[in-house]
Amino acid sequence: GAGVSQSPSNKVTEKGKDVELRCDPISGHTALYWYRQRLGQGLEFLIYFQGNSAPDKSGLPSDRFSAERTGESVSTLTIQRTQQEDSAVYLCASSSLPAGGTDTQYFGPGTRLTVL
Amino acid sequence: KQEVTQIPAALSVPEGENLVLNCSFTDSAIYNLQWFRQDPGKGLTSLLLIQSSQREQTSGRLNASLDKSSGRSTLYIAASQPGDSATYLCAVMDSNYQLIWGAGTKLIIKP
Repeated sequence: GAGVSQSPSNKVTEKGKDVELRCDPISGHTALYWYRQRLGQGLEFLIYFQGNSAPDKSGLPSDRFSAERTGESVSTLTIQRTQQEDSAVYLCASSSLPAGGTDTQYFGPGTRLTVL
Repeated sequence: KQEVTQIPAALSVPEGENLVLNCSFTDSAIYNLQWFRQDPGKGLTSLLLIQSSQREQTSGRLNASLDKSSGRSTLYIAASQPGDSATYLCAVMDSNYQLIWGAGTKLIIKP
């Protein structure tokens, strides 16, 4: 594809339900990042995948959050037992270099999650 | 087209020194500017966020300033420590809500 895609673009869910967000990175990009941005706040790093290495999960806010990626393909971010404070735009980015490099991160359009 | 430049590309200083990292951007139409650090093989850690209406933000030994009209931001690190060694990235959020990244400054603090 031409860029990073994410689905769904919008998700409204009830408190306590589980949600799954999807990211399709640019083909060939080895690095994939998940971020979230709450209204009026800056970008918050969640998790980073680099090839087949163990992911850097240091940004995940609680054990309700998890993410998977198989090889250098699609990634899914799962939030279990959603809370209202999980409401945010969840952004995915990919790049062709590992995190230690300085290659451009290409961002997807984001998934706007609203927890009622 | 927004471009973000960071100077210097690399910096090595003895422990205890105060230092300044620079970030410049070409288009002043930004929503915010953020400073991140990146440790080898790790993801990003957000350090400071400055909204376009603000002039500076402080967190511990870090102070970031923003001069939107001149397209400049500085990150000041006081009393540097070896644990401060990392790559520091500056990013601006443009009018399309996209983050535009600088190339980073690799900082080494020598014990």
